[in-house]
Amino acid sequence: ETGVTQTPRHLVMGMTNKKSLKCEQHLGHNAMYWYKQSAKKPLELMFVYSLEERVENNSVPSRFSPECPNSSHLFLHLHTLQPEDSALYLCASSQDGAANEKLFFGSGTQLSVL
Amino acid sequence: QKEVEQNSGPLSVPEGAIASLNCTYSDRVSQSFFWYRQYSGKSPELIMSIYSNGDKEDGRFTAQLNKASQYVSLLIRDSQPSDSATYLCAVKTIGDTGFQKLVFGTGTRLLVSP
Repeated sequence: ETGVTQTPRHLVMGMTNKKSLKCEQHLGHNAMYWYKQSAKKPLELMFVYSLEERVENNSVPSRFSPECPNSSHLFLHLHTLQPEDSALYLCASSQDGAANEKLFFGSGTQLSVL
Repeated sequence: QKEVEQNSGPLSVPEGAIASLNCTYSDRVSQSFFWYRQYSGKSPELIMSIYSNGDKEDGRFTAQLNKASQYVSLLIRDSQPSDSATYLCAVKTIGDTGFQKLVFGTGTRLLVSP
């Protein structure tokens, strides 16, 4: 275990559904991240929270809505997704969001949009 | 668009050989470079970081950096079947909002045969 826990591990949803991904880190880190990993594409940064404040929104469509209620928890709320949003969604944390160096990743949520 | 380029592979080497993984990047001002390893179905984990030109050794792993050529490499000596994984090159760069973030390559898949 890396100290970063993601649920669910797998998710299948229709385009009209609303679902949420959850991430929890037990490392005492100050920054948390959402990444998208699609086949044949680089890891794509979606959102960054540092000390519970969003510091980066990497031009992500509004159908993805992050929430960071405290420094240990991060959510990604999903609604009206498209089939091309099917991917592995990885949560990560780091000690210092500004340094953004050693990232600790969760196991990811494999999302399929039908 | 700041990019990190890697050959997707697979790179096939016999057990005991040296595996050489290469990465080029486009952002000339980048100062921090990382190698992450990702086993199939698992999340990425940091294995090496390098900040200065030259070589950095850690056990069987050696990272090499040439900023003038914008080139980073990872050498794995005495390759083992357990080294079979995808190796992601990551470069710290400054985004449009001024936030420092990691840009990842697509990864090189390494296969070490017994």
